[in-house]
Amino acid sequence: GESVGLHLPTLSVQEGDNSIINCAYSNSASDYFIWYKQESGKGPQFIIDIRSNMDKRQGQRVTVLLNKTVKHLSLQIAATQPGDSAVYFCAVAGGGADGLTFGKGTHLIIQP
Amino acid sequence: DTAVSQTPKYLVTQMGNDKSIKCEQNLGHDTMYWYKQDSKKFLKIMFSYNNKELIINETVPNRFSPKSPDKAHLNLHINSLELGDSAVYFCASSQRSQRGTRTQYFGPGTRLTVL
Repeated sequence: GESVGLHLPTLSVQEGDNSIINCAYSNSASDYFIWYKQESGKGPQFIIDIRSNMDKRQGQRVTVLLNKTVKHLSLQIAATQPGDSAVYFCAVAGGGADGLTFGKGTHLIIQP
Repeated sequence: DTAVSQTPKYLVTQMGNDKSIKCEQNLGHDTMYWYKQDSKKFLKIMFSYNNKELIINETVPNRFSPKSPDKAHLNLHINSLELGDSAVYFCASSQRSQRGTRTQYFGPGTRLTVL
């Protein structure tokens, strides 16, 4: 089965700096990856996704990088703002299954 | 225009009771899910339903049973509640696209507290 892990449970950054949140997965057959943001008291919210035939995808202030060789995924947030404070999850799918396997989450703390 | 909604938002009940959580999605998706999030924020899938068929059933106690009256609803019934059932339960939905993407959209969650 799939296991998904994040390297840091908590990440503290200064407002305006860039943030990088990392994720590792175990199943080389995984072919679809998603980053979610969960604010306090709310459900996970879709941020950005990437398929295994890509190694980089950009959104508004966010970039996802995928390294299939080492089974590593990262989320980069540019010019971090107070509203970015949340728990970030990576989620992985593959092998024909519909379900997602979630990582444990990184709590991003923005310092003024 | 809530895409995925759940009721109730909070549920406090005694051990041994039976309770239900309702979920509705208005996205026209063909698959719905239930997740349990523990106190450490770990999200674990419990069930998914596709075209009224259960397609994932992780190792959850049989006290938990999903029921889908139609494609837009997936309710979660819990019998004989235990203290360890206390958690936040999230409903989600997705639509399998031709490109194989499976983005899931989550509801706001139901915080269940068993006393």
